[in-house]
Amino acid sequence: DTAVSQTPKYLVTQMGNDKSIKCEQNLGHDTMYWYKQDSKKFLKIMFSYNNKELIINETVPNRFSPKSPDKAHLNLHINSLELGDSAVYFCASSQIQGTGNTIYFGEGSWLTVV
Amino acid sequence: AQKITQTQPGMFVQEKEAVTLDCTYDTSDQSYGLFWYKQPSSGEMIFLIYQGSYDEQNATEGRYSLNFQKARKSANLVISASQLGDSAMYFCAMRERRRGAQKLVFGQGTRLTINP
Repeated sequence: DTAVSQTPKYLVTQMGNDKSIKCEQNLGHDTMYWYKQDSKKFLKIMFSYNNKELIINETVPNRFSPKSPDKAHLNLHINSLELGDSAVYFCASSQIQGTGNTIYFGEGSWLTVV
Repeated sequence: AQKITQTQPGMFVQEKEAVTLDCTYDTSDQSYGLFWYKQPSSGEMIFLIYQGSYDEQNATEGRYSLNFQKARKSANLVISASQLGDSAMYFCAMRERRRGAQKLVFGQGTRLTINP
């Protein structure tokens, strides 16, 4: 009963392809995120959705498009993959309304573009 | 802009010793939150401990405690009686809130190695 689950865990694909990473949380949280961890282990936010509404969109290429069909799901679609997109992508969730503070992360999706 | 600094890229500690991982932060916000996460070699991000800026007492969770010194803007993680399983990357992060949105800003991380 993983709290934040993302699939696939590993993805190897060729440049130019389009791929998606799916994320689901069963914590009842109202907010979900995508973070990117680069080869130097630095973590940075990409997107945040609150109740299916995009509320944070950091400086991310248009090739990255998040989609939130409902509060419990936030998928990341990447078009025309480039070598520099190789990274670990983490989904996360938290509850903004109320007293909850903790942001919980999924196990990460290792994307390798060749 | 907020900034988190972890000045120790790597640390080596003997098993059963206590270890302190440093974290300093910079913010003009009055209300903020500080987090520590552990990332073992398997890659997942594990939440360890949280400290709110208005919390008067230092947070503790089992062997983890957060040494919060607000005036010095530091939020060091203390691990007591270290174990081999504590070997991992450790990230300090600050929660930033803007117009109903929140995000974590992370430090560079510290790689902790526990020696037997």
